[in-house]
Amino acid sequence: AQSVTQLGSHVSVSEGALVLLRCNYSSSVPPYLFWYVQYPNQGLQLLLKYTSAATLVKGINGFEAEFKKSETSFHLTKPSAHMSDAAEYFCAVSDQRGTSYGKLTFGQGTILTVHP
Amino acid sequence: DAGVIQSPRHEVTEMGQEVTLRCKPISGHNSLFWYRQTMMRGLELLIYFNNNVPIDDSGMPEDRFSAKMPNASFSTLKIQPSEPRDSAVYFCASNGVVQDTEAFFGQGTRLTVV
Repeated sequence: AQSVTQLGSHVSVSEGALVLLRCNYSSSVPPYLFWYVQYPNQGLQLLLKYTSAATLVKGINGFEAEFKKSETSFHLTKPSAHMSDAAEYFCAVSDQRGTSYGKLTFGQGTILTVHP
Repeated sequence: DAGVIQSPRHEVTEMGQEVTLRCKPISGHNSLFWYRQTMMRGLELLIYFNNNVPIDDSGMPEDRFSAKMPNASFSTLKIQPSEPRDSAVYFCASNGVVQDTEAFFGQGTRLTVV
């Protein structure tokens, strides 16, 4: 079984500041890890994914995440926050292969607020 | 591609009524997933299909919930009878069999049972 813990249900930053959203996972097999973003009244959009290739993964909108096996972490960062980054962010894990990449276990989500 | 299409976007129904949510996956995808999002429980997988066959329905909360996938381009999630605690946003997602692909989510159906 796998699980995901997102530290901090709410994170608030100023525009231009560093964004750091924390995610720790638990998985009995090498995991595939994902970050999704959800804007109000919208579906989930993939930001980036780790699938056992490079440990530093770059995604859309300037976000990146680093897979650290020793720390079982997959924290999401962005050097400079923009007002449009305000949304809810979900970390998710899958230990499936082949046809079941979409069988995901999600964290509880982190709401990011960006102040002018 | 239009993406994963769900209908309706919003549904308000009275307790005890039957509710049917619909999903059209991305063409060519052969895995389909139904998720439910609530404040209390977050995002949880209800059921998923591969090649139209239900693979794992362990997340379906109770017998009032049922899901079907009669063909590769259509799936339904039915609640009968509905209860106020079923109020949530229901998402459908799909993905293909190509290595290292992710799940693509629809816009969701917001269900309110009064």
